[in-house]
Formats: sequence, C-alpha cells, structure tokens
Amino acid sequence: DAKTTQPNSMESNEEEPVHLPCNHSTISGTDYIHWYRQLPSQGPEYVIHGLTSNVNNRMASLAIAEDRKSSTLILHRATLRDAAVYYCILNRASYDKVIFGPGTSLSVIP
Amino acid sequence: NAGVTQTPKFQVLKTGQSMTLQCAQDMNHNSMYWYRQDPGMGLRLIYYSASEGTTDKGEVPNGYNVSRLNKREFSLRLESAAPSQTSVYFCATAGRYNSPLHFGNGTRLTVT
Repeated sequence: DAKTTQPNSMESNEEEPVHLPCNHSTISGTDYIHWYRQLPSQGPEYVIHGLTSNVNNRMASLAIAEDRKSSTLILHRATLRDAAVYYCILNRASYDKVIFGPGTSLSVIP
Repeated sequence: NAGVTQTPKFQVLKTGQSMTLQCAQDMNHNSMYWYRQDPGMGLRLIYYSASEGTTDKGEVPNGYNVSRLNKREFSLRLESAAPSQTSVYFCATAGRYNSPLHFGNGTRLTVT
C-alpha cells in the first residue's frame, strides 16, 4: 500500500494562510490524493482531492507537485474552526482498501 | 436523507461479551469500510467491502468479523470483546472508485 507522510502538528495564526504538506513518494499512476479533516469528537469529513492538476473548492486548494510525490493543502485564511486533524491519503482508482495515517494536528492561534 | 447511520452511538461491554455494530447507508454506494480510532490516534482500517457479497481484511482485522448483508448494510461483530478493543468505530462509504469517503458519526465502545 502506498503510504503518506505528514508532520505531526502545525500551528497557524488566525486569518493567515496555512500550507499543510504531504509526501507520497511511492504514489502510483492510478492513485488519487485525497484530503480529509476531523474536528474534535466528530467523524472525518472530505476536503478535496486530485490526480495531477491543482484543484480548488470552497474549502481549500490542493497543489500537487509535478512528479506527484508530494502535495500541499492550502487553507487560504485560517479560522478557529479550522483547528482539526488533517489527513492526506492515497485512494487507488479501484475498489481497494483506503489507509489513513496519523495526520497533522493543526492548531489555530487567535 | 440520512447518509451513513451507525448504531449504537455508545456501548459498554464486559470482557468476553459479544456485540454487533451496525452501519447503514442510503447513498447507493458500493464500497463500505470499518475503521477504529484509539484516543489521540489516527484511523486504522479493520475490514472493507468493495461490493455486496465481498469483504476483505484491512490493517487490524483480528478479533472482528464483518457481514455485508446487502448493498445498504455492513455490520462489524466482536465475538469476544477485549479491553484492547475499546475505541471509537467509524463506518464509511464510497461510491465509484476514487470518489470521497463519507463517514458516519461513530460508535464509542468501552470494554471493561
């Protein structure tokens, strides 16, 4: 199974942009990069996903390196509600197991 | 439209007791997953089902069994609960391949 590596924790000031990195050096051509976040005492929720091109949605942006071995989740303006654990995972383009790592715990400082 | 529904929300078991955690979805998704999350840790995959009638082991299947009863329902059974199985259990579903996972609200299980 292809693995991802993320920093254990990060801090950001409120209303500043946040760049959450993820390394996935063993990614295969059919792996999509997915990001989820988990607020305290809740189940994970989907944030964004992509294959090769950068992606934007109302929650965040996803920047994917040209060699696809790393990606960055960008929160354009952190709010206190963005404090959560963020998971970067690889979702193979087949019906296959989906493995989560420990994720990055993001703290937002008022 | 409930999405992914897990029952019960909370359960306390004594060591050696058995129970079944239920997961039902109304999203017409093919794939379903069971994860466990220990305090302060990430999610670990227990079992998954790519489609009705098929199930496969995940990272931590020991001590658990699953049944994909039909397309809507995927149950997780603990035959003889152990304190090490104290955790929050999440069910998730996904539609076509590479589509996002949708999670239930979890079942908080304590085994004493």
